[in-house]
Amino acid sequence: GIQVEQSPPDLILQEGANSTLRCNFSDSVNNLQWFHQNPWGQLINLFYIPSGTKQNGRLSATTVATERYSLLYISSSQTTDSGVYFCAVEAPGTGYALNFGKGTSLLVTP
Amino acid sequence: NAGVTQTPKFRVLKTGQSMTLLCAQDMNHEYMYWYRQDPGMGLRLIHYSVGEGTTAKGEVPDGYNVSRLKKQNFLLGLESAAPSQTSVYFCASSYSGTQQYFGPGTRLTVT
Repeated sequence: GIQVEQSPPDLILQEGANSTLRCNFSDSVNNLQWFHQNPWGQLINLFYIPSGTKQNGRLSATTVATERYSLLYISSSQTTDSGVYFCAVEAPGTGYALNFGKGTSLLVTP
Repeated sequence: NAGVTQTPKFRVLKTGQSMTLLCAQDMNHEYMYWYRQDPGMGLRLIHYSVGEGTTAKGEVPDGYNVSRLKKQNFLLGLESAAPSQTSVYFCASSYSGTQQYFGPGTRLTVT
């Protein structure tokens, strides 16, 4: 299957700092999504972004499909941004199911 | 809209017991999925369904069965629970190959 690698695995930021999370994938994909898992375990879909750039408030994402990577930008981080960020790509032949990376664990301190 | 809901939220089983996890969605999505999440790992696909009356195996299907008798519901069954099935189980749904929406999860412990 398609391999998904995320970096860094862990990140600690002070409130107000900016950060970039990276997702590399091993083959071409039709579907790439970013999720935030909050400290209570809820998975929130941040972006559906198979290619191009999207922005949602302080978050933005860019996928360069030809080079097989995606980036998630968090600007002016807040403590509520803490949690784990997952990148996931479509697993071929599984009804659009997703193959997840291991995530980036983010802690934003006051 | 409630989105995707899961029942129960928590459960403790003894080895060999059985149980059924219920997932319901009110978004009229065709596609539904069951994933499990273990510490330090991303989510792994157990089973999925591309429509009412259909099911298929994912990456880690052993020890689980599923049914999709109604479009809005997707059931995950454990016939004889094992400690290796201790995990957090997530249900998700989507309309074709677009955004997936996840339920709140079920935390299962098998002793």
